[in-house]
Amino acid sequence: GAGVSQTPSNKVTEKGKYVELRCDPISGHTALYWYRQSLGQGPEFLIYFQGTGAADDSGLPNDRFFAVRPEGSVSTLKIQRTERGDSAVYLCASSARTGGFSGELFFGEGSRLTVL
Amino acid sequence: QQQVKQSPQSLIVQKGGISIINCAYENTAFDYFPWYQQFPGKGPALLIAIRPDVSEKKEGRFTISFNKSAKQFSLHIMDSQPGDSATYFCAASRADSWGKFQFGAGTQVVVTP
Repeated sequence: GAGVSQTPSNKVTEKGKYVELRCDPISGHTALYWYRQSLGQGPEFLIYFQGTGAADDSGLPNDRFFAVRPEGSVSTLKIQRTERGDSAVYLCASSARTGGFSGELFFGEGSRLTVL
Repeated sequence: QQQVKQSPQSLIVQKGGISIINCAYENTAFDYFPWYQQFPGKGPALLIAIRPDVSEKKEGRFTISFNKSAKQFSLHIMDSQPGDSATYFCAASRADSWGKFQFGAGTQVVVTP
């Protein structure tokens, strides 16, 4: 497809389990972002990749959250020992540019995580 | 700490009317201010964006007004249509961290026929 693809679209897990969320950005986009959107709130920045490296991970809430982008394309957000408070929609976005007014961030439809 | 404050939380407007959403920010280092539109079950999509060197930008029925001294900006949706019913988010980012947006809490707009 032409857009940002995220899988799974829905994930239900139990407290304490490990979860992986996948993001396939738009082809050729070097910048990749993860955001988290809680119900009734705006997206909250988690981490930004430029190429393979995490350029800014200041939004990750704690060390249970980790993300990788080993080949500079697909990214995986990993959450260990999930807690009920981790329930949210996890949004991935990509961009061809990392700055300038002409840049645009393209969001996927998100992965809805529910921790029981 | 919410760096971008958005109001109102929700808005009901009749078809053909004007929807106005306001945002205020604190960080004077912000220099890029986009508005995103989000439909249920979808990701946010860029609607229109502005830099602080201009006071207004118009694209079709959508206009951003920007007041740098007051650190406020607003979205005006003219001739609102039922298809405009969605949640709108304002956001802001700094030049040295473009894409790392601070989003407002969102405004749910309902346009009645």
